Amino acid sequence: QQQVKQSPQSLIVQKGGISIINCAYENTAFDYFPWYQQFPGKGPALLIAIRPDVSEKKEGRFTISFNKSAKQFSLHIMDSQPGDSATYFCAGETSGSRLTFGEGTQLTVNP
Amino acid sequence: EAGVAQSPRYKIIEKRQSVAFWCNPISGHATLYWYQQILGQGPKLLIQFQNNGVVDDSQLPKDRFSAERLKGVDSTLKIQPAKLEDSAVYLCASSRTQTGGNYGYTFGSGTRLTVV
Repeated sequence: QQQVKQSPQSLIVQKGGISIINCAYENTAFDYFPWYQQFPGKGPALLIAIRPDVSEKKEGRFTISFNKSAKQFSLHIMDSQPGDSATYFCAGETSGSRLTFGEGTQLTVNP
Repeated sequence: EAGVAQSPRYKIIEKRQSVAFWCNPISGHATLYWYQQILGQGPKLLIQFQNNGVVDDSQLPKDRFSAERLKGVDSTLKIQPAKLEDSAVYLCASSRTQTGGNYGYTFGSGTRLTVV
């Protein structure tokens, strides 16, 4: 019930391209869906987040698309840059409970 | 504001030995978390503190892992005795409220433990 499934496991994109990472969740009690970015040797850092009452949230080059009926959400990175190369984690959270992470997607943006 | 501080950064121990990790959260953050991140996987919560009380330790292997948060500030996580499968990065995180909310969780850089 708590699981968050993430795909793909790894992704290679050319500079300027669009990176798309998908997640699906099972726990309908999740009320907050953050994305975290992690660089090697660092802890995850909050990138962008969405609540299930909206279908899309955009911050700069990063956009979350949310489909509540399908229990799916995705991260789109427009105009991908080599500096975006990192591991990305989606997550689900319910009020007062633990943050449940997906397995992660290792993104490589080639120059 | 200063970030979440963790030490040591790296630790190599033999199986059956004991090890301790230290975390100093962001000042004023009431909630502190310890996560275990095995290579190639997402972080998994081990224990959550609210001030100096335990909120959730349901995924902590209590036969070998222990954690405390004295005075509601610093925290230590101990493993005794360590097993090979404990090799992972141990992340400490803190948040202003009991859930990340709009501010999210702030993670430290972690301690990479290798058990040989």
